[in-house]
Amino acid sequence: EVQLVESGGTLVQPGGSLRLSCAASRFPFYNYWMTWVRQAPGKGPEWVAHINPDGSESYYVDSVKGRFTVSRDNAKNSLYLQMNSLRIEDTAVYYCARASRATIATMGVWGRGTTVIVSS
Amino acid sequence: EIVMTQSPATLSVSPGERATVSCRASRSVSHDLAWYQQKPGQAPRLLIYGASTRATDTPARFSGSGSGTEFTLTVSSLQSEDFAVYYCQQYHDWPPRITFGQGTRLDIK
Repeated sequence: EVQLVESGGTLVQPGGSLRLSCAASRFPFYNYWMTWVRQAPGKGPEWVAHINPDGSESYYVDSVKGRFTVSRDNAKNSLYLQMNSLRIEDTAVYYCARASRATIATMGVWGRGTTVIVSS
Repeated sequence: EIVMTQSPATLSVSPGERATVSCRASRSVSHDLAWYQQKPGQAPRLLIYGASTRATDTPARFSGSGSGTEFTLTVSSLQSEDFAVYYCQQYHDWPPRITFGQGTRLDIK
């Protein structure tokens, strides 16, 4: 079964840094666009960052530009999100998601998420 | 940014009945609209893309319609496993922007 497993979420103070990881398995990771999506408590999902299959293109939602960096290691079937200068409003469950086979702008496979809490 | 607005926020329906969820875009997204289902403690699951095409493993009782700015998700005969939160997502602005609605909770009446 296709699988995505996120890790790295924890409690961190405002202004701190965190690196999230996502381990992919049972599909050709190097062929797919990947996205980080977050969901604050009681809110709808919000896309955070996209990265293309070879890692040469990345895009960010305005609220994280300059603070977050998405990257991937296709040899390790892994996706990463480096989060710096964290703010209280970054508190959310962070999901790693794979583009669907049908349209690369929708997410057909999701991990279970990892929780980031930014609080003093 | 394209803003997606869903209605109602909560819908109470009895099992076996039909449920209809609406999604409106602040400007036209053509047919670039997807629907997701999310159950408590789980990640969203893609149900429909292209406004009306069911994703793999989506039961036939789920159907999507609409284009431009007005969209609808219909569940023809609600099963117990269908009670969840439903989100619409536009991808007309991709890359890179995709935006989700705020969600509609489908509750058992």
